[in-house]
Amino acid sequence: DVKVTQSSRYLVKRTGEKVFLECVQDMDHENMFWYRQDPGLGLRLIYFSYDVKMKEKGDIPEGYSVSREKKERFSLILESASTNQTSMYLCASSFVRGAQYFGPGTRLTVT
Amino acid sequence: AQSVTQPDIHITVSEGASLELRCNYSYGATPYLFWYVQSPGQGLQLLLKYFSGDTLVQGIKGFEAEFKRSQSSFNLRKPSVHWSDAAEYFCAVVLISSNTGKLIFGQGTTLQVKP
Repeated sequence: DVKVTQSSRYLVKRTGEKVFLECVQDMDHENMFWYRQDPGLGLRLIYFSYDVKMKEKGDIPEGYSVSREKKERFSLILESASTNQTSMYLCASSFVRGAQYFGPGTRLTVT
Repeated sequence: AQSVTQPDIHITVSEGASLELRCNYSYGATPYLFWYVQSPGQGLQLLLKYFSGDTLVQGIKGFEAEFKRSQSSFNLRKPSVHWSDAAEYFCAVVLISSNTGKLIFGQGTTLQVKP
């Protein structure tokens, strides 16, 4: 069975904190993705990675960075969390041009 | 403009009734096509996908979708809806020309099921 896991389902952080969200997939997929989902705005791509140590900006990369040191693991980093980064964060993975498989999501609240 | 359109933001059907959710795309070449479902507070689950071949695609949970090239559509159907089908449904495409596999999503359709 396809499996994408995310490190936390719910997270509460304070403004200015550095936040790490981790995603792990067990399908040997080349591609991994980070999205955020907000009511009325749909899913927006933050960053994606098509190989180890390779990354590309998505539609809304400002305020975020990513790290992919191993094929199965893709981390999203909020360098200095702000309240406008309160959101649902979704990780996904896929083969190139294949179907994306999503994790359960992390609901992040920044106070 | 190139896009994926789900014309219905919100649909309500009675339990046991049939369902059709619409999806249209506007790209020059036929993309790869997907339907996802999202229950409240959960991630997205892949229902079905179309890459090529038979234009009627069977998915999980009793869903099917039909690709119609002439209409640039990929509508999702289910003959008899269950209360547990209440969720948000997303149509998505990957352009064949894409070397990144980036998904382009429609706006989503929220399905409400009446008892």
